[in-house]
Amino acid sequence: SQQGEEDPQALSIQEGENATMNCSYKTSINNLQWYRQNSGRGLVHLILIRSNEREKHSGRLRVTLDTSKKSSSLLITASRAADTASYFCATETGANNLFFGTGTRLTVIP
Amino acid sequence: KAGVTQTPRYLIKTRGQQVTLSCSPISGHRSVSWYQQTPGQGLQFLFEYFSETQRNKGNFPGRFSGRQFSNSRSEMNVSTLELGDSALYLCASSLEGTGRYGYTFGSGTRLTVV
Repeated sequence: SQQGEEDPQALSIQEGENATMNCSYKTSINNLQWYRQNSGRGLVHLILIRSNEREKHSGRLRVTLDTSKKSSSLLITASRAADTASYFCATETGANNLFFGTGTRLTVIP
Repeated sequence: KAGVTQTPRYLIKTRGQQVTLSCSPISGHRSVSWYQQTPGQGLQFLFEYFSETQRNKGNFPGRFSGRQFSNSRSEMNVSTLELGDSALYLCASSLEGTGRYGYTFGSGTRLTVV
């Protein structure tokens, strides 16, 4: 079964609003990564947060990690229509492979 | 520099046939991983190769196999295709496979089994 579950499954917001996606996982991890996928194409790496980190920023992205709750969140600020995509969290446990969450489908309405 | 290249982009095969997919990683990357993406099961790990050796394998039947060449290019083979093998197959390359800097994915091969 998949390592992670994401919430919500779908999110629709207006351009300029913030979007928050949550990810929960089941076992101890080395790091957690977020990826974006446009229309069933390849995945684009957004950000990686290590298990000893609590928060990380990259441009309009902010990721938090709570290892005690086995959860992470991705915040996209000031969303744009181009942010419309599916977003996946993925955990790495040290075995050189990723366990992906179920994904959140984000729609940003212009 | 060039990204991860997967060929072909689309493929239609008949049940019972076999198929070979190709992945060329970023130059200098020695790790190639393969993933299967379906609407029902999501993204699932198939296997990972590093310096021509399979280091890790997911929970897929033996019909799914792979290999890596000395130039780090990798191929994935699926024999005796089933309808359920219809999926987007993605490969990802990384320098060492530890994912410390994230993985770079190709655009995928969409396989349809009829």
